Amino acid sequence: QVQLQESGPGLVKPSQTLSLMCSVSGGSISSGTYYWTWIRQPAGKGLEWIGHLYTRGGITYNPSLKSRATILVDKSKNEISLRLTSVRAADTAVYYCARGPPALGTKCSGSICTNYNYYYMNVWGTGTTVIVSS
Amino acid sequence: SSEVTQDPAVSVALGQTVRITCQGDSLRSYYASWYRQKPGQAPQLVMYGGNNRPAGIPDRFSGSSSGNTASLTIFGAQAEDEADYYCESRDSTGNHLLFGEGTRLTVL
Repeated sequence: QVQLQESGPGLVKPSQTLSLMCSVSGGSISSGTYYWTWIRQPAGKGLEWIGHLYTRGGITYNPSLKSRATILVDKSKNEISLRLTSVRAADTAVYYCARGPPALGTKCSGSICTNYNYYYMNVWGTGTTVIVSS
Repeated sequence: SSEVTQDPAVSVALGQTVRITCQGDSLRSYYASWYRQKPGQAPQLVMYGGNNRPAGIPDRFSGSSSGNTASLTIFGAQAEDEADYYCESRDSTGNHLLFGEGTRLTVL
């Protein structure tokens, strides 16, 4: 059973770069085809998708982060990392990593059906808290 | 619109049926996935691709979709179903994931 564990500095000063790690145990990052995703949640608020890395190629980010986010994979360490530059107070949140398989959906409207690729997140880490404060 | 919206809170009597809904233009083109989050815990997938239940999720959970609305229905709600529920879909480009603001379900 794959398990994910996030880790990070806990406290980061404004304008600095935040680096978070997601350690994978119980399986290899190199095995299988998955989307590895980072999601965050400010205290008392909802979930925000940060971005994902697809093991068959391609990394996509939430445009609201304005290119501040970078997701990397280190296969030798079996880790996924997230770097977030120029952090500010609004980046204070619990950060989760998650993994999910690709899937094919078919959505029909009347007699017109459209296929699309998607993924769902069925394995989550427990999250790591990040506070941005001077 | 690139948003998906949910009612902030819903309540249900123990053993009754409750529907949690999510609305957004993207839901005309994509099925929603649903995540449940209990206090102090990470989210947990309870429904994906419209009406697919992951292993371990009871069959009292059901997903459906009509027009721009996705629904998660819990038949015979139990005390352990009390949680925040988030729907997830796409933005207008189809390339980025979106979460609804979440619905807090209270089981009375």
